Amino acid sequence: QTVVTQEPSFSVSPGGTVTLTCGLSSGSVSTTYYPSWYQQTPGQAPRTLIYTTNTRSSGVPDRFSGSILGNKAALTITGAQADDESDYYCVLYMGSGIWGFGGGTKLTVL
Amino acid sequence: QVQLVESGGGVVQPGGSLRLSCAASGFIFSNDNMHWVRQAPGKGLEWVAFIRFDGSDKYYVDSVKGRFTISRDNSKNTLYLQMNSLRAEDTAVYYCAKDSGGGHCYFDFWGQGTLVTVSS
Repeated sequence: QTVVTQEPSFSVSPGGTVTLTCGLSSGSVSTTYYPSWYQQTPGQAPRTLIYTTNTRSSGVPDRFSGSILGNKAALTITGAQADDESDYYCVLYMGSGIWGFGGGTKLTVL
Repeated sequence: QVQLVESGGGVVQPGGSLRLSCAASGFIFSNDNMHWVRQAPGKGLEWVAFIRFDGSDKYYVDSVKGRFTISRDNSKNTLYLQMNSLRAEDTAVYYCAKDSGGGHCYFDFWGQGTLVTVSS
């Protein structure tokens, strides 16, 4: 069974740039997996950030961007702010009515 | 605006049953596919189930197949998750999420979740 992979944790300095990735235990991520990204802070519901690889959801600041880098989907935060400190999840559409979440990346801004 | 409000969570013994509901408003519920997503305490998000707008197709994560049933009542704008033969590992916050539609395959709106605890 193919697993969606993410870095467990990452840190970035305020004002810095960080790229989180979303891969597969077997194979490459492409746009046909419709990668999407979600932000979650403790005790809150997820917030949709990016869909279909690189489209920002309504109200999402343009410091968040999505792409395909090599064989993975990527979420880049440019000019990180303190309130970007959150858990970030990617989701891939695996086909046949099945969606797969990555394990999430805990981002620390310090 | 879109609102999704889950209810029905609580404490249940292993082997027991529970039915979750998700009341939808602010959009034409009968036009949209819907999902259930869960999050165990301190763990990541996990997709659980999908139902097409008219109930014609349903899909599940392997770990709940044969135990959970997703359904909907479009006349009541409500999504359901019937959970049977519950196990300790089903303990989680359960979120309903609206499918984006348009073939974009993502979750565009989320409820606030309802907590299910399976414990003796």
